[in-house]
Amino acid sequence: DAGVIQSPRHEVTEMGQEVTLRCKPISGHDYLFWYRQTMMRGLELLIYFNNNVPIDDSGMPEDRFSAKMPNASFSTLKIQPSEPRDSAVYFCASSLWRDGSSYNSPLHFGNGTRLTVT
Amino acid sequence: DAKTTQPPSMDCAEGRAANLPCNHSTISGNEYVYWYRQIHSQGPQYIIHGLKNNETNEMASLIITEDRKSSTLILPHATLRDTAVYYCIVRPRGYGANSKLTFGKGITLSVRP
Repeated sequence: DAGVIQSPRHEVTEMGQEVTLRCKPISGHDYLFWYRQTMMRGLELLIYFNNNVPIDDSGMPEDRFSAKMPNASFSTLKIQPSEPRDSAVYFCASSLWRDGSSYNSPLHFGNGTRLTVT
Repeated sequence: DAKTTQPPSMDCAEGRAANLPCNHSTISGNEYVYWYRQIHSQGPQYIIHGLKNNETNEMASLIITEDRKSSTLILPHATLRDTAVYYCIVRPRGYGANSKLTFGKGITLSVRP
């Protein structure tokens, strides 16, 4: 399996522009998570989906951020309009909940998208 | 509201065992201890997890104290590629509202030649 695939790897944009980050989870996984990492705040959970449905978006910083999961193999995180303080590395992760399992399955992370807003 | 406490950094010599401590004194009975690591410029990588018994896999061993208030991740023969930030996380069993994986600051392990 190729693992979680994120694109682009790097994104540089100007303030006010729309930014779309993309994620392809591991095939068969039913949970998808979006995280953001900065030096100041570390890794923060933004939103997560179960079976393509958003479950908890309480970590989304403000209305400028939106996330969708139109199908089981694709998710996007959009920032519109972008601001310099959105500069960070954005990670996507997926996992599979094994019904009846005695534990949560681990999250598998992609290698992130480094966003720079100037 | 950190649920785990880790020292900020430690180092060890290549080839030696690296013992990474973690305190989780408020852990509840249905919470697991997870360890992830993050190598520079990569996404976090799952290492191991456990509830109350010691666990071992191809990457590491996890030793959980009997009262479950602390644990130690052991890398038996550290290599330079093990240099990374290691996160100790407690997470409730099951999914739903409690399925969030909340990362703290972690411990930076530096393996020296």
